[in-house]
Amino acid sequence: KAGVTQTPRYLIKTRGQQVTLSCSPISGHRSVSWYQQTPGQGLQFLFEYFSETQRNKGNFPGRFSGRQFSNSRSEMNVSTLELGDSALYLCASSLNLGANTEAFFGQGTRLTVV
Amino acid sequence: DAKTTQPPSMDCAEGRAANLPCNHSTISGNEYVYWYRQIHSQGPQYIIHGLKNNETNEMASLIITEDRKSSTLILPHATLRDTAVYYCIVRVAPNAGKSTFGDGTTLTVKP
Repeated sequence: KAGVTQTPRYLIKTRGQQVTLSCSPISGHRSVSWYQQTPGQGLQFLFEYFSETQRNKGNFPGRFSGRQFSNSRSEMNVSTLELGDSALYLCASSLNLGANTEAFFGQGTRLTVV
Repeated sequence: DAKTTQPPSMDCAEGRAANLPCNHSTISGNEYVYWYRQIHSQGPQYIIHGLKNNETNEMASLIITEDRKSSTLILPHATLRDTAVYYCIVRVAPNAGKSTFGDGTTLTVKP
């Protein structure tokens, strides 16, 4: 079956703009988590959604937001982009919120802010 | 959530077993140990996970000590394509998706 799909794969935006990234989880998976990866900070947790509800949130400013739709697809939005937001944004999906459930990652969206 | 500690880098000869250690001394009873790897800024790839028993799949084996304070990922016959950053993390419900990834171990498989 199809894996986790993230779109777009690459994106270039200007400082001050906003951006929306999309994640389609594996069919049947209801949990989606988002991570930001930068060379300096590594992989950092942004937020997690399950059944259209945000279940966990990382330590990121309010400019970072997300949502999940009834079909489990998720989007994350970053407003007022800063140069430091340049990163690889990764989405992971899992069947449910259980700890004994593998999470599968997409290939990520590489965002460059200029 | 329990934090993990891994050596920053390791080398392994092609064809030999690669043994990657991970320390998770503060792990609690309901936390699972997971291993992922990441090749060249692609998305992390799931490898294996376990709670307290040793596990094996087509990719690797996971050995968890009896006290669960450490584990070892074993790639039985490393190939050049196994060169990657390997992450050991712990997951616990209901915050399973909120995993803390450390710096991982950069495994370099050499011919």
